[in-house]
Amino acid sequence: EAGVVQSPRYKIIEKKQPVAFWCNPISGHNTLYWYLQNLGQGPELLIRYENEEAVDDSQLPKDRFSAERLKGVDSTLKIQPAELGDSAVYLCASSLGVGGGGETQYFGPGTRLLVL
Amino acid sequence: GNSVTQMEGPVTLSEEAFLTINCTYTATGYPSLFWYVQYPGEGLQLLLKATKADDKGSNKGFEATYRKETTSFHLEKGSVQVSDSAVYFCALISGGGADGLTFGKGTHLIIQP
Repeated sequence: EAGVVQSPRYKIIEKKQPVAFWCNPISGHNTLYWYLQNLGQGPELLIRYENEEAVDDSQLPKDRFSAERLKGVDSTLKIQPAELGDSAVYLCASSLGVGGGGETQYFGPGTRLLVL
Repeated sequence: GNSVTQMEGPVTLSEEAFLTINCTYTATGYPSLFWYVQYPGEGLQLLLKATKADDKGSNKGFEATYRKETTSFHLEKGSVQVSDSAVYFCALISGGGADGLTFGKGTHLIIQP
């Protein structure tokens, strides 16, 4: 079974440029998450999707960040314009989304962003 | 709000030593608790989990017991190997099962031969 796929793995851009990250979740997983991981820290949730609906985007900085999950499968996270402080690893995760306690989230390898 | 506190790293041990990584939490309701591991150059992987008080999660020789009275979920292994060198994250979900995870800062474990 294929895991969560993310691309690109690495991205270097200059500040004020736009950037986009792509995620393909595990087949059949209804719930998709985007997390931000700063150096030396644990991941922090940015947004959660149930199928194509964003059900928790309270931590997403909406002035410059946007996300979409068309057709409830792949998802794209965009930053426009990027700032120096956006340098981090962006993680995508997915889970079955059937509810109940303790549902396992499966993580992709992440996209490491460096803003110069 | 929810929070997870882990012991600071790096933790350096010799091969075959006993390992404990402390984890305590604050959460609303009755959270589910997780340990994730990140090996060098790889993504986060679930190591073990426990969904209710007194449950013990175990995998690959690692164990952790959900202690509601002390709000803790300490990770233990009786004899570590060099291949266990990685960053370990304690995490929780409170409320619904599909909520976002709240992570600790991670503990970098280094095992020397």
